[in-house]
Amino acid sequence: DGGITQSPKYLFRKEGQNVTLSCEQNLNHDAMYWYRQDPGQGLRLIYYSQIVNDFQKGDIAEGYSVSREKKESFPLTVTSAQKNPTAFYLCASTGGNQPQHFGDGTRLSIL
Amino acid sequence: QKEVEQNSGPLSVPEGAIASLNCTYSDRVSQSFFWYRQYSGKSPELIMSIYSNGDKEDGRFTAQLNKASQYVSLLIRDSQPSDSATYLCAANAGNNRKLIWGLGTSLAVNP
Repeated sequence: DGGITQSPKYLFRKEGQNVTLSCEQNLNHDAMYWYRQDPGQGLRLIYYSQIVNDFQKGDIAEGYSVSREKKESFPLTVTSAQKNPTAFYLCASTGGNQPQHFGDGTRLSIL
Repeated sequence: QKEVEQNSGPLSVPEGAIASLNCTYSDRVSQSFFWYRQYSGKSPELIMSIYSNGDKEDGRFTAQLNKASQYVSLLIRDSQPSDSATYLCAANAGNNRKLIWGLGTSLAVNP
């Protein structure tokens, strides 16, 4: 079945630790996106990638890093520089003129 | 600043009624518009996409686009309690496949 897989579903970060959220898609989509959603808030774009080996900062990129070494994969690292990482993280992808479709999300909390 | 605005709600309607959700956008460049439904704790799922002026119907859902007035709406006929969710409006941000998101309207359908 084609889709977008995010893992883990829940993640806990200790003080000073970097953590990596996984996003994999088998839809053959060119573009992939990472969003952050805080309780009762809309979606804020962290990073996006239109093609392999290229990515651009979104509106709130500080404290985050990404890579796009393969078309299928767009992992997001939440670094220790991100002082308020607790949020719901959503990965999306799109191809051609299709709408964005989302994975199930990763909920990150601080220990 | 490109923006998409929605009333935050909550919008409350009785079961079987028509729910009307509205969205305005500021960027005349936007050509594609999307409505997503998000249940509490879940990721957004695409309900409707609309690209040209007029109405587009899909089952109980009708999207309406008026580019001259820069608004897009979503009508839900015969509302069901299972329609209770937050509805997110999004517009494309030109030709780079990024989306501009509204903050969402919370809908409650009361049995």
